[in-house]
Amino acid sequence: KAGVTQTPRYLIKTRGQQVTLSCSPISGHRSVSWYQQTPGQGLQFLFEYFSETQRNKGNFPGRFSGRQFSNSRSEMNVSTLELGDSALYLCASSSIFPGQGSAPLHFGNGTRLTVT
Amino acid sequence: TQLLEQSPQFLSIQEGENLTVYCNSSSVFSSLQWYRQEPGEGPVLLVTVVTGGEVKKLKRLTFQFGDARKDSSLHITAAQTGDTGLYLCAGGPNTGNQFYFGTGTSLTVIP
Repeated sequence: KAGVTQTPRYLIKTRGQQVTLSCSPISGHRSVSWYQQTPGQGLQFLFEYFSETQRNKGNFPGRFSGRQFSNSRSEMNVSTLELGDSALYLCASSSIFPGQGSAPLHFGNGTRLTVT
Repeated sequence: TQLLEQSPQFLSIQEGENLTVYCNSSSVFSSLQWYRQEPGEGPVLLVTVVTGGEVKKLKRLTFQFGDARKDSSLHITAAQTGDTGLYLCAGGPNTGNQFYFGTGTSLTVIP
């Protein structure tokens, strides 16, 4: 079974630009979450999608947005990039369904974004 | 503000030694997960604990969930170089499947 695939692996952008990151979940997983990982803050929750609907959003500015497609693939977009957006962006898929207690997160290897 | 604090932040030990990593919070969680992350890769789930006081063993790793479901510990017996990595605890889920991650413990096992 193929794991979670994130593309691209590395990105270098300049301040003010925008970026789109892509995530393909494990087949059959309908929940996709995004996390930002930095040395200072650790893993911070960005948002979660289930069946094309955003179920929850973390404490990030509106420059961070996402969406999920009917095939469960997800994208996140960051507009007007700032230096502080440099981080590893991790996508995780899960087999959880509404009403279920919890389910493990299966992470991709991330996209390393560097903003200069 | 981190909901989950891990200690120690860094740990360097000799192969064969034992160690314990702690994950503490003032919040109650319905479940707690432990992940290990190696450089250049995403975190990989080690275990999920859901019942207060629960103890789970995974070969040389022993995980415990506190009675009040606010804290957890990970004990490694006879550490091996393959145990090297970043250990993360995660409490949740909150709404949907959102988890709060701990600050992480970076473990280095020296041969």
